[in-house]
Amino acid sequence: KNEVEQSPQNLTAQEGEFITINCSYSVGISALHWLQQHPGGGIVSLFMLSSGKKKHGRLIATINIQEKHSSLHITASHPRDSAVYICAAGHISQETSGSRLTFGEGTQLTVNP
Amino acid sequence: DTGVSQDPRHKITKRGQNVTFRCDPISEHNRLYWYRQTLGQGPEFLTYFQNEAQLEKSRLLSDRFSAERPKGSFSTLEIQRTEQGDSAMYLCASSRGGGSYNSPLHFGNGTRLTVT
Repeated sequence: KNEVEQSPQNLTAQEGEFITINCSYSVGISALHWLQQHPGGGIVSLFMLSSGKKKHGRLIATINIQEKHSSLHITASHPRDSAVYICAAGHISQETSGSRLTFGEGTQLTVNP
Repeated sequence: DTGVSQDPRHKITKRGQNVTFRCDPISEHNRLYWYRQTLGQGPEFLTYFQNEAQLEKSRLLSDRFSAERPKGSFSTLEIQRTEQGDSAMYLCASSRGGGSYNSPLHFGNGTRLTVT
């Protein structure tokens, strides 16, 4: 079992639909990251959260620490939202204080016009 | 643009050759990470630097892999005697931090390696 699991693996939506991507993790974390990766490889950090909820434009990220679960929501989806969305669990090394991320496999989102 | 930059963007090499990639982090970031991503998978941690010190190495980083960050600024990742299984996207990320501070990572666009 992977430490970080995302669902669904693939998601196709019509423009304007409300989208939810789920992430479950099995280890303790210092923070949960949501990242966006477009074709060609570049990764952009969307959210880093350790509790509650964060909102940026049409994107909302929530986390439930007790249930070890996070969701990424996209309201009024648009074709330009098409990308791979990756959830990553952040761990702080007690030895080095480095922030290591354990990534999920990503969710391929396609939003059709 | 003062983001994380990686060079080259693409590298095609023959099996057995050595390759070296470079990463220039955001200038004020003291932490630098290397990740590897194969098709359809999420990135996997390879190694981490704080300033010039390499503090963590993954078991994925075999003896053929070496990374340096000599002056605490740019970093290089070298793969010796490349194998076809080394074909992947190599991603570099940087962040600012100290102690237990957990700051967002900024990623470069990656170097895509193809070993033929």
